[in-house]
Amino acid sequence: GAGVSQTPSNKVTEKGKYVELRCDPISGHTALYWYRQSLGQGPEFLIYFQGTGAADDSGLPNDRFFAVRPEGSVSTLKIQRTERGDSAVYLCASTRSPGGFNEQFFGPGTRLTVL
Amino acid sequence: DQQVKQNSPSLSVQEGRISILNCDYTNSMFDYFLWYKKYPAEGPTFLISISSIKDKNEDGRFTVFLNKSAKHLSLHIVPSQPGDSAVYFCAASGSGSARQLTFGSGTQLTVLP
Repeated sequence: GAGVSQTPSNKVTEKGKYVELRCDPISGHTALYWYRQSLGQGPEFLIYFQGTGAADDSGLPNDRFFAVRPEGSVSTLKIQRTERGDSAVYLCASTRSPGGFNEQFFGPGTRLTVL
Repeated sequence: DQQVKQNSPSLSVQEGRISILNCDYTNSMFDYFLWYKKYPAEGPTFLISISSIKDKNEDGRFTVFLNKSAKHLSLHIVPSQPGDSAVYFCAASGSGSARQLTFGSGTQLTVLP
């Protein structure tokens, strides 16, 4: 089937606004990850879901960031009171199971620009 | 504190020759290592991986070598092709229960025709 999809592909917003970024993982993948990639850097881990629950949110930079995955499939990353420093590409990845040695499959990302 | 380092931001090689991309890590808890390839405006695409119980894994033109004592891995591409031109990221997992990936900063490979 289809790979990981993310919408929108680009989002431009103003400082202080609220944004939602959506990820649709590969069908059947129970594990879902969000990463953030700043210019010239590799992706950095934000949060991990196993099923519906956020099993590890240690990478979220502060409490303005929140993510949900209510039905264990699609996930939404929510950013409140956006700041210019939030500008980055937000990547979503999924895998069959986090246990063992399984590669993660990435979506194309959402490029967020905060003016 | 960068746990995964790619010290060469860029590399240029001639078509048909070997490309060698290097990666170093510091966290001894890492037990699985991956290489991803990324084109502009696309997400990273999985290329090849290796677990810590092996020292070599080969897939077609791509071979990954792992030296655990040196905490070093490398990706060899032979022969290199112009379509291989992309940013290559080294990643590692195993230091957390989520098995999240820790990435290096990437190496831009340019294969010249």
